[in-house]
Amino acid sequence: AQSVSQHNHHVILSEAASLELGCNYSYGGTVNLFWYVQYPGQHLQLLLKYFSGDPLVKGIKGFEAEFIKSKFSFNLRKPSVQWSDTAEYFCAVKQGAGNNRKLIWGLGTSLAVNP
Amino acid sequence: DGGITQSPKYLFRKEGQNVTLSCEQNLNHDAMYWYRQDPGQGLRLIYYSQIVNDFQKGDIAEGYSVSREKKESFPLTVTSAQKNPTAFYLCASSPGNTGELFFGEGSRLTVL
Repeated sequence: AQSVSQHNHHVILSEAASLELGCNYSYGGTVNLFWYVQYPGQHLQLLLKYFSGDPLVKGIKGFEAEFIKSKFSFNLRKPSVQWSDTAEYFCAVKQGAGNNRKLIWGLGTSLAVNP
Repeated sequence: DGGITQSPKYLFRKEGQNVTLSCEQNLNHDAMYWYRQDPGQGLRLIYYSQIVNDFQKGDIAEGYSVSREKKESFPLTVTSAQKNPTAFYLCASSPGNTGELFFGEGSRLTVL
């Protein structure tokens, strides 16, 4: 079965530290890639997305992610985290054409940033 | 404001009772989805609907039912047949098939 793996389940950082959250997927065809974020008490929302073109994509709040096709990876990065980045982060992969039934989710990474 | 409204936000139910969770969107999206979120398990798809009067089972449809009589509305009923209904339920919609979803704030169901 196709899958999305997020390597870190819980991450604790101090403010100003750099962040990298890993995401790997197992599908070999065309993909659309997403990072969603769920801040405490808020709805799940899109952080950034990759469909095609430049494999380095920038999202909201200073986040970026790099698509490395050869590694089947789409890692999320931020050079300097803030306390307000405390949230749960989900990687998701849409496999090929067809409807969003083919959107596969990682299990999520809980990030806690200490002030 | 455009968005997705889920209600109620919190719901308590006794075992053996059915409960219906509401999801309304004013984004004019054709497709709508119901997910279940459990700690450490990510999001699991319950049901989805690509168009009015049509819906399909997701990965964990057993014990749940839905209807899609209007484009704006996609209610989820958690029936007494659902063995472990205590969870956080998320409704979403999408404008197309890119994988980009818009979510409501969720409904937390607790079965006593």
